[in-house]
Amino acid sequence: GESVGLHLPTLSVQEGDNSIINCAYSNSASDYFIWYKQESGKGPQFIIDIRSNMDKRQGQRVTVLLNKTVKHLSLQIAATQPGDSAVYFCADSPPWGANNLFFGTGTRLTVIP
Amino acid sequence: DVKVTQSSRYLVKRTGEKVFLECVQDMDHENMFWYRQDPGLGLRLIYFSYDVKMKEKGDIPEGYSVSREKKERFSLILESASTNQTSMYLCASSAGQGGGYTFGSGTRLTVV
Repeated sequence: GESVGLHLPTLSVQEGDNSIINCAYSNSASDYFIWYKQESGKGPQFIIDIRSNMDKRQGQRVTVLLNKTVKHLSLQIAATQPGDSAVYFCADSPPWGANNLFFGTGTRLTVIP
Repeated sequence: DVKVTQSSRYLVKRTGEKVFLECVQDMDHENMFWYRQDPGLGLRLIYFSYDVKMKEKGDIPEGYSVSREKKERFSLILESASTNQTSMYLCASSAGQGGGYTFGSGTRLTVV
């Protein structure tokens, strides 16, 4: 089956620093990738997505980078704030059965004031 | 703002009870999903549905069933609740192929 994982289960950063959260995926046919943020006691919320025909996509303070050669996805958060503390999930979707997303286990980001 | 609403945030049920978890979306999405979330295990797909009255098993369907009588509503049923079904349950919906999901806030179910 699909395997989407994360390199580190936890990450601590100082407030104001940049954060980088990494994710590896196994299906080279995946063509859609998405990052979610889940705060304590809440459901996951969409942050940013990217399709396989792109290498980089920027949002507000967030950037997603996609390296298809090594099947690696990363989320960069600029000027990390205490409100960024949460669990971050990556997910991918293959072109077949593309109604389904496959989720990683998540990285817990803790922002130190 | 688009919304997926789960009827209960917290639920406590007894072993052997039949439990209904309700999910409603207001986005006219075709696809709906039920996940459970446990520490260290991430999101695991229980059941999903691509259309009214249809359902497909996910990765861990045992002990669960679902119902989708209307497009906007997808119910998860625990036929006979057991303590190992204590978990956070998340409902999600999506519009179609190649898009992301919108999640509900989750229902934390405790079976005692």
